[in-house]
Amino acid sequence: EDKVVQSPLSLVVHEGDTVTLNCSYEVTNFRSLLWYKQEKKAPTFLFMLTSSGIEKKSGRLSSILDKKELFSILNITATQTGDSAIYLCVADMRFGAGTRLTVKP
Amino acid sequence: NAGVTQTPKFQVLKTGQSMTLQCAQDMNHNSMYWYRQDPGMGLRLIYYSASEGTTDKGEVPNGYNVSRLNKREFSLRLESAAPSQTSVYFCASSVRVRTDTEAFFGQGTRLTVV
Repeated sequence: EDKVVQSPLSLVVHEGDTVTLNCSYEVTNFRSLLWYKQEKKAPTFLFMLTSSGIEKKSGRLSSILDKKELFSILNITATQTGDSAIYLCVADMRFGAGTRLTVKP
Repeated sequence: NAGVTQTPKFQVLKTGQSMTLQCAQDMNHNSMYWYRQDPGMGLRLIYYSASEGTTDKGEVPNGYNVSRLNKREFSLRLESAAPSQTSVYFCASSVRVRTDTEAFFGQGTRLTVV
């Protein structure tokens, strides 16, 4: 059965900390893995990863995919309170449960 | 830029009532999706439509029906609502099916079944 598993489910850090969010997947029709950020309402797109080992970066956020080990990580450096959100990964339309990140001042 | 528009935003139903959630996108996307989100469970795919005229079941289709009315519109119907269907429902669209393209989400419909 296809599954996408994220860890940790919840994380509380202080501003300035660096965090690593994990996503492992087992899906039949894998083409790419996407990361989304969900604040109060609709998820918004962060990254799409198709190839192993190629890091995608956007400001303080970066992500990488390992297609051999079937996982991806999302890193956030120098966290800010505005990073507080649920971070979702998705593979082949199947979402993980999400990681709820809380950044305290 | 409207993007993906869902109506209504909130709804309270009594057990056994029926209703249709509406979704429209103006991005000329081929694929559309309905998800439900429950606390601690991420988004689970109910149904999707790869292209106009086709629909397929997702992970949790029981109790729901869908209609891809045209390229723009994809509706979700609850024929006989149950408390277990209390959730937040998201419609999404993408250029093509499966996640090798970014999906755009509507703002969600919070449905409570009492």
